[in-house]
Amino acid sequence: DAGVTQSPTHLIKTRGQQVTLRCSPKSGHDTVSWYQQALGQGPQFIFQYYEEEERQRGNFPDRFSGHQFPNYSSELNVNALLLGDSALYLCASSLGQGVGKLFFGSGTQLSVL
Amino acid sequence: DQQVKQNSPSLSVQEGRISILNCDYTNSMFDYFLWYKKYPAEGPTFLISISSIKDKNEDGRFTVFLNKSAKHLSLHIVPSQPGDSAVYFCAASVWDGTASKLTFGTGTRLQVTL
Repeated sequence: DAGVTQSPTHLIKTRGQQVTLRCSPKSGHDTVSWYQQALGQGPQFIFQYYEEEERQRGNFPDRFSGHQFPNYSSELNVNALLLGDSALYLCASSLGQGVGKLFFGSGTQLSVL
Repeated sequence: DQQVKQNSPSLSVQEGRISILNCDYTNSMFDYFLWYKKYPAEGPTFLISISSIKDKNEDGRFTVFLNKSAKHLSLHIVPSQPGDSAVYFCAASVWDGTASKLTFGTGTRLQVTL
């Protein structure tokens, strides 16, 4: 049973560029959440997708957007990258919107130069 | 505004002894609390949770205690093993009827020594 898979594992971009991160949820899960973990910090909630709609959003600017596909996989897009966007981006999946027990992927390490 | 706080960045415990990791929160609306463990280069993995209607939940060597009046929870690991060495995150959530998100603390790095 495949867990949560994220791609790519590492990414280097320059300021002003755009990036797309991808996530496939654990088999049987229908809800995907994205978190940003800066160095030395805990993960911070970006947004949650359920039934292909954004259901809840954290305190992140509109430069951060996402999408969920009919197969429940999801993308996180970040436009106009800033140096401060450098972080580990974690995808988590669950069954239903209640937080329950989230299953996390290993993350995408994004470096903005 | 840090709503979930883990004031100890690191903790070192001898193998076989008890590890106690602490977490404080400020939002009285939180109704569900979780602990996650994270190894390097891996995503956080769920360890144990507790609902706000309980004050204790036990799972093998792991026990979580919740003191709502003090807005404090703790994770006890007995006995501690070298494989427990990891970063532990406390997290809390509020169910608003449509969705739920986790608010994490900054983590405590536990090192279990031989």
